Amino acid sequence: DTEVTQTPKHLVMGMTNKKSLKCEQHMGHRAMYWYKQKAKKPPELMFVYSYEKLSINESVPSRFSPECPNSSLLNLHLHALQPEDSALYLCASRDRGLRGEKLFFGSGTQLSVL
Amino acid sequence: KNEVEQSPQNLTAQEGEFITINCSYSVGISALHWLQQHPGGGIVSLFMLSSGKKKHGRLIATINIQEKHSSLHITASHPRDSAVYICAVSKNTGNQFYFGTGTSLTVIP
Repeated sequence: DTEVTQTPKHLVMGMTNKKSLKCEQHMGHRAMYWYKQKAKKPPELMFVYSYEKLSINESVPSRFSPECPNSSLLNLHLHALQPEDSALYLCASRDRGLRGEKLFFGSGTQLSVL
Repeated sequence: KNEVEQSPQNLTAQEGEFITINCSYSVGISALHWLQQHPGGGIVSLFMLSSGKKKHGRLIATINIQEKHSSLHITASHPRDSAVYICAVSKNTGNQFYFGTGTSLTVIP
């Protein structure tokens, strides 16, 4: 299994809703990432988990709450989002080994906040 | 100044043309990745480079560590190559990646 699976693929939510994005990988990668990507822009880093511990939080608003329950799963909990939070949310995992570095991205969750 | 600069930002080519996309970076890196993203889609890793040159089908990627520069070449371009190509580097320490702004490629039949 050499992929990162993200669910749901599409999500529409109101500003008072609570929802969660899910990311799963079974490659044994110990670094996992959440990125936010606006149209025609490169991905912006939100959070990095290393060995299931939050290692980087790029000053993300508290309405985004990450969680890493185990080494295969990464969640992003959403609450009271704003319309400007509408974007493609990408999960990635990275493995560094003797043969170099491997980087895998999920297909993303397209989020619309109404 | 961005740690990673890509050029050109936009590129239109006729089917069959040879295409080159360039990436320059200003930090010490452990690896450089060339990524491909189709409209509305996720990102696929094409190459990971730490030195030299790699080839996969019609795609060739090179890196010059001394000059801090990498190129992605597409030979005999095809409309299905139309996508955004992104250069990303990981530094020698830490977990963070730095992304170029991407090159939007359109190949016209």
